[in-house]
Amino acid sequence: GQNIDQPTEMTATEGAIVQINCTYQTSGFNGLFWYQQHAGEAPTFLSYNVLDGLEEKGRFSSFLSRSKGYSYLLLKELQMKDSASYLCAAHNAGNNRKLIWGLGTSLAVNP
Amino acid sequence: EAGVAQSPRYKIIEKRQSVAFWCNPISGHATLYWYQQILGQGPKLLIQFQNNGVVDDSQLPKDRFSAERLKGVDSTLKIQPAKLEDSAVYLCASSLGRGNTEAFFGQGTRLTVV
Repeated sequence: GQNIDQPTEMTATEGAIVQINCTYQTSGFNGLFWYQQHAGEAPTFLSYNVLDGLEEKGRFSSFLSRSKGYSYLLLKELQMKDSASYLCAAHNAGNNRKLIWGLGTSLAVNP
Repeated sequence: EAGVAQSPRYKIIEKRQSVAFWCNPISGHATLYWYQQILGQGPKLLIQFQNNGVVDDSQLPKDRFSAERLKGVDSTLKIQPAKLEDSAVYLCASSLGRGNTEAFFGQGTRLTVV
């Protein structure tokens, strides 16, 4: 079957580091997306991992282990504006290139 | 580059009424998606178009929902008749396709059915 799991909620302190985990099960896996969604707004693209390893983009990094069906999003030097929902989505490379979405992790950054 | 345009931003209707949403994707994007996002949940794919052909509508409630993509460009999603449980944000997204699958989302239409 196809399944994707991530924690529902997380809380962290401004200036700290937080890691949001995502596990997935899907046939024909091609890659893993992370999107950020602020309340009332549309999701915006953060990263796409195809190969194993860590990819860094400023304060945000994303990691993928294809053999373990596991990814994480790492946010450093947290700011209040990072309070948002973080969605992981597994890319199925079948005929329709479907995205399997997680339910999102709601991150609250406290002062 | 202009983003994905959607209208209206907000819509309130009574149950059993009909409603239509419009989406204009980023120019040149072959793939267009309609998602339903209920508060506190991730997006649920309703329908995916590749140019003007449907490639996935497995989660579209076809007894009440319909969608079309005219000439492979803009698209409309219709609900007829609406139910209370259709209250959600309807997101349109587009991507280049052809192996590049980063999806760009519109602002969404927030539908409230009362």
